Amino acid sequence: EVQLVESGGGLAQPGGSLRLSCAASGFTVSSNYMSWVRQAPGKGLEWVSVIYTGGTTYYADSVKGRFTISRDNSKNTLYLQMNSLRFEDTAVYYCARDEIDYSNYVYPHYYYYMDVWGKGTTVTVSS
Amino acid sequence: DIQLTQSPSFLSASIGDRVTITCRASQGINSYLAWYQQIPGKAPKLLIYAASTLQSGVPSRFSGSGSGTEFTLTISSLQPEDFAVYYCQQVKSYISTFGQGTRLEIK
Repeated sequence: EVQLVESGGGLAQPGGSLRLSCAASGFTVSSNYMSWVRQAPGKGLEWVSVIYTGGTTYYADSVKGRFTISRDNSKNTLYLQMNSLRFEDTAVYYCARDEIDYSNYVYPHYYYYMDVWGKGTTVTVSS
Repeated sequence: DIQLTQSPSFLSASIGDRVTITCRASQGINSYLAWYQQIPGKAPKLLIYAASTLQSGVPSRFSGSGSGTEFTLTISSLQPEDFAVYYCQQVKSYISTFGQGTRLEIK
């Protein structure tokens, strides 16, 4: 069964750090694009970051320079290292598998869509 | 960044109704648009990708159309399980964005 399970959320102080993990099963993380999406309490979805199969990464302006997406192929796990946390980073963080459409290239990536989602992990930034 | 604006933001409808949600992009995104459904407290679920392709397992009462800057999600006959929040998402740019969401509630 294809599954994603996030962990690592919790309470952090402003300026602090957390590392989120997303363990995948039923497929290979390195063979797909993988994304992080977050949802602040009572708000809509916000795209956070993506990592391509080749390792290229992109970030939303709101987290650029503070968050780092990575993966460990041996553990088949995706990560999000979050530093310099702010109150506005409080949210449920979802990881998602990005299914790639190799027939459809739009620079700098192939078309993709988020077909498998984890249940999310909650991050609260509070003093 | 490419902005996506959904309308309406809130929709009240009855079981069996046909409803349409619109998503407008601030610049052309070809057909690089997906639609997701989110039931409160749950993870989003993919409904439609490439603007009009139904994801496997999604009921055929859901359909999508459009290209360029204007897209629609249509539910042909509302069922009780369809009352949720719906989001569009673009990946034309390397910075992906979501619409603000449309909350669909029972009248």
